[in-house]
Amino acid sequence: DIQMTQSPSSLSASVGDRVTITCRASQTVTSYLNWYQQKPGKAPKLLIYVASDLQSGVPSRFSGSGYGTDFTLTISSLQPEDFATYYCQQTYSTPATFGGGTKVEIK
Amino acid sequence: EVQLVESGGGLIQPGRSLRLSCAASGFTFEDYAMHWVRQVPGKGLEWVSSISWNSGSIAYADSVKGRFTISRDNAKNSLYLQMNSLRAEDTALYYCVKDMEQQPPDAFDTWGEGTMVTVSS
Repeated sequence: DIQMTQSPSSLSASVGDRVTITCRASQTVTSYLNWYQQKPGKAPKLLIYVASDLQSGVPSRFSGSGYGTDFTLTISSLQPEDFATYYCQQTYSTPATFGGGTKVEIK
Repeated sequence: EVQLVESGGGLIQPGRSLRLSCAASGFTFEDYAMHWVRQVPGKGLEWVSSISWNSGSIAYADSVKGRFTISRDNAKNSLYLQMNSLRAEDTALYYCVKDMEQQPPDAFDTWGEGTMVTVSS
């Protein structure tokens, strides 16, 4: 199975900050890397797919980059509604494994 | 509106069986692969099982292989998860999830709200 490692596991940031979350795969996943946002008590929501494609309806302040084993999710200017937990996921091979999550909290 | 609604969760004793259902609406169900993903409250996400659009490709996590069975009825726009020999470690919120493509896995673009399964004596 491909292991997905996210860093940091949590971070504190202020509204307006630029936030970067990193995801590393234990072997190449080419561009088959997705990012999800989950708010407390809610189901996850797809933000980014195939590393850098923005899902319909997702604000443009979210962006993704990377290829192979190293990927990044960037929030260009953090908004109050962005405080949540973010997960990366590889869909290069079955099982489609998730990272452990990064909790973004208010500073 | 694309919608997935899970049902069938509850409190069940170890060793017993439970069947989860997922009713899909707002999209052409037969065109997409589907998944079950679970989450222990306060913990991360774990993919459980997937099924292709025509049921020709099915996969399971090692943790449930041999105990769980995924199926779908495209005529009824429904996804199922038959869970046998349940264990305490199966306790979780189970999400029904739509894939972006016919053959899994690809990005999971629509999630239901989940149904809670609690395995306890």
